[in-house]
Parts: sequence; C-alpha cells; structure tokens
Amino acid sequence: EAGVVQSPRYKIIEKKQPVAFWCNPISGHNTLYWYLQNLGQGPELLIRYENEEAVDDSQLPKDRFSAERLKGVDSTLKIQPAELGDSAVYLCASSLRDTSYNEQFFGPGTRLTVL
Amino acid sequence: AQSVTQLDSQVPVFEEAPVELRCNYSSSVSVYLFWYVQYPNQGLQLLLKYLSGSTLVESINGFEAEFNKSQTSFHLRKPSVHISDTAEYFCAVRADAGFQKLVFGTGTRLLVSP
Repeated sequence: EAGVVQSPRYKIIEKKQPVAFWCNPISGHNTLYWYLQNLGQGPELLIRYENEEAVDDSQLPKDRFSAERLKGVDSTLKIQPAELGDSAVYLCASSLRDTSYNEQFFGPGTRLTVL
Repeated sequence: AQSVTQLDSQVPVFEEAPVELRCNYSSSVSVYLFWYVQYPNQGLQLLLKYLSGSTLVESINGFEAEFNKSQTSFHLRKPSVHISDTAEYFCAVRADAGFQKLVFGTGTRLLVSP
C-alpha cells in the first residue's frame, strides 16, 4: 500500500514569491491534515479536511495561506506571498476518518526555505 | 486544551544501553497518548499508542511506554538500543472528547553511538 505522497520534497524561493505544496493521501482515507513543523518543534495542525470540506482551519493564517481539496482526494497548500518566517517543513497526513484513536499516517514533508 | 512536555531535547546513549525518553502531558479530560518516530528525511511513523486497557503498551521493535495517570506521564523505554534507533521521537496527546487536534511535544533526539 502506497503511503502519503508529498511533492516537492524541497523548495527554495525568495521572499514575496508564491509557493504550493501537493499531497496525495492514502487511498480511501477521508481525512486529510496539513501540519507545520518549525525547526526544533513538533508538528502543529494548520487545517483538517473531511472529504472536500475544511472542517477545522482555525490555525491557518488566512491572509497568506490557502488550501484546497477539490475532489476529496489530493490537496494543495499555497502560500502567497511567502515570508522569511515561513521556512519550515510542511507535513501532510491522512486517516480513514477523524476519530481520536484513528492513526494518522504522515508523508515525508516538504522542506521550504525562504531567502 | 492539552499540552505535552518533553524535557529532553537530546539523549545520547551507547549501543545496547537502556534508554528512557520522558513525556508529561496536561489535560482536564481523558486522553489518548501516542509516540511517533521520525527518521532522517522521512515522515512521522506511529511507534505505539495508549487508548485504554493495559497501561503498558509495546511496539514491535522493542520499545514500550507506560501510561501513568497520577503522574500524567507516558515515558518511552527500551532496554537495549541499536544504532538504527537513532531518530527524533515525538510524544503526542489527543483528548477523548469529540474532535480534538493531535498535540505534539517538541521532540527528543535519540543519538545512539557505538
């Protein structure tokens, strides 16, 4: 079974440029999560999708960040414009559905460097 | 809200020695507890979890963790580590009450040397 796929794995951009990250969850997983992991920190939830609906985006900085999961499968996270402080690893995870005991499966992440 | 404290940012240990990675949590409601491992350039992988029942839970590669409600702890232990155990370990907590997000600690880097 294929795991959570993310691309690109690494991205280097200059500040004020836009950037997008793509995630393909495990087949059949209804719930998709985007996390932000700063250096030396644990992941922090940005947004959670149930199928195509964003059911929790309270931690997403909406002035510059946006996300979509149009057909309830793969998802894109966008930053426009990027700032120096956005340098971090962006993780995508998925689970069958969102319950407290369901395991979340994580992708390898996209490491973003903003110069 | 829940929070997790991992006091040790880095734990160096020699191969075949025992190790304990500490995790304390805070919550006003019942919780589920998890340990995730992150190998270099890889995503997080679930190592073990406590949902209910026996307070001692084990992983397939020799790690174990014990849920201690009175001390609000979920320390991870292994009696004899291998070089391949070198990784970042994250403790996480999630409330057993509707949807609550998974809250991670800051991680502990386990460095196993020969």
